[in-house]
Amino acid sequence: QKEVEQDPGPLSVPEGAIVSLNCTYSNSAFQYFMWYRQYSRKGPELLMYTYSSGNKEDGRFTAQVDKSSKYISLFIRDSQPSDSATYLCAMSDEDYIPTFGRGTSLIVHP
Amino acid sequence: GAVVSQHPSWVICKSGTSVKIECRSLDFQATTMFWYRQFPKQSLMLMATSNEGSKATYEQGVEKDKFLINHASLTLSTLTVTSAHPEDSSFYICSARMGWGGRFYGYTFGSGTRLTVV
Repeated sequence: QKEVEQDPGPLSVPEGAIVSLNCTYSNSAFQYFMWYRQYSRKGPELLMYTYSSGNKEDGRFTAQVDKSSKYISLFIRDSQPSDSATYLCAMSDEDYIPTFGRGTSLIVHP
Repeated sequence: GAVVSQHPSWVICKSGTSVKIECRSLDFQATTMFWYRQFPKQSLMLMATSNEGSKATYEQGVEKDKFLINHASLTLSTLTVTSAHPEDSSFYICSARMGWGGRFYGYTFGSGTRLTVV
């Protein structure tokens, strides 16, 4: 069993929809949780960073971490075609060695 | 802030030659850098972790003699693919741990290098 599970999609939504992306994990030692956006043939870009459990909001993006369920989510409000990309979750414990999900491909169509 | 500059962005080389990829942290000191390989529509595969001034730690199955990593300074890490073969063709990405004041803020990535071996 992989440490981090993430549905690869693709997830196709209409413009303006609320997008929900999520990851589950098995390592209870993970303390740091991140979401990255990766466009084709580019390096990943950090979108959200959360330490331990809780919610964090930044513009149209909201990250949620539920450590009791080992479940993290990224919500995108008012999705735009420019949001079409692959979204990767990442997490690490105190050794700061990252573990990535396989990424979810998101397509926002006009 | 916290930008990692990666060069070249793409390279084509002949089979049997070596290729060097550079990653520089532009506005911070990167004590730890990670090197990844990514195949189309696949996730990031960690190849090795390098710490400034010490030998890199390679993941299982990664040939350390083939993928030479040097992290000689706090702002520069290099990956050299030696005696490249077509199966080494891939997208290589470096990443640095962001942290200051004793706190951790995630990882920042280079823009990636697309290597094609012909």
